[in-house]
Amino acid sequence: NAGVTQTPKFRVLKTGQSMTLLCAQDMNHEYMYWYRQDPGMGLRLIHYSVGEGTTAKGEVPDGYNVSRLKKQNFLLGLESAAPSQTSVYFCASSPPNTGELFFGEGSRLTVL
Amino acid sequence: GEDVEQSLFLSVREGDSSVINCTYTDSSSTYLYWYKQEPGAGLQLLTYIFSNMDMKQDQRLTVLLNKKDKHLSLRIADTQTGDSAIYFCAEAMYSGGGADGLTFGKGTHLIIQP
Repeated sequence: NAGVTQTPKFRVLKTGQSMTLLCAQDMNHEYMYWYRQDPGMGLRLIHYSVGEGTTAKGEVPDGYNVSRLKKQNFLLGLESAAPSQTSVYFCASSPPNTGELFFGEGSRLTVL
Repeated sequence: GEDVEQSLFLSVREGDSSVINCTYTDSSSTYLYWYKQEPGAGLQLLTYIFSNMDMKQDQRLTVLLNKKDKHLSLRIADTQTGDSAIYFCAEAMYSGGGADGLTFGKGTHLIIQP
């Protein structure tokens, strides 16, 4: 039972480098989300998607881009990483109009 | 605006009951959720309550909702070491589709003392 899989699980970047986090789900869910989790801040929504080919901004979208070319995949890109983007990133998916989100195990990103 | 507030830490003795509290601000919330995050893992849905309910019980878990005070609580009976985790309260509104997911609180760290 794969569920939601995130790659990579750990990454260290230098300021200004770019990278992409990949999220894959095998539950045929319409909705997918990217959150970041920071100490004392809880989870904050970065971007989300309601279906293949669609994306929308969440609470903290600046500095990130996303793409949903296939229903099962949701990519989060950092074009020019900054130390403020050091965080743990969580991908989640859900059927439409439900608060039952299924989360991946997280990707820990450190930007030096 | 939406805001969900929780205390950051709760310490209880093994075998006692744990009560984790949450307040929310948006009276139009239709569903309220409790998620659990174990160390090094993602969040998992524990339970939820629909806004027209006052209470929901599921084995050792009891959820109480006070809509007037916008207060939600999660009671864990007979707390065990395996209950040690971060517990997140979350609210959802589904006007206009509800695709933007949930608004989470900052999470309560439940610490179990032997």
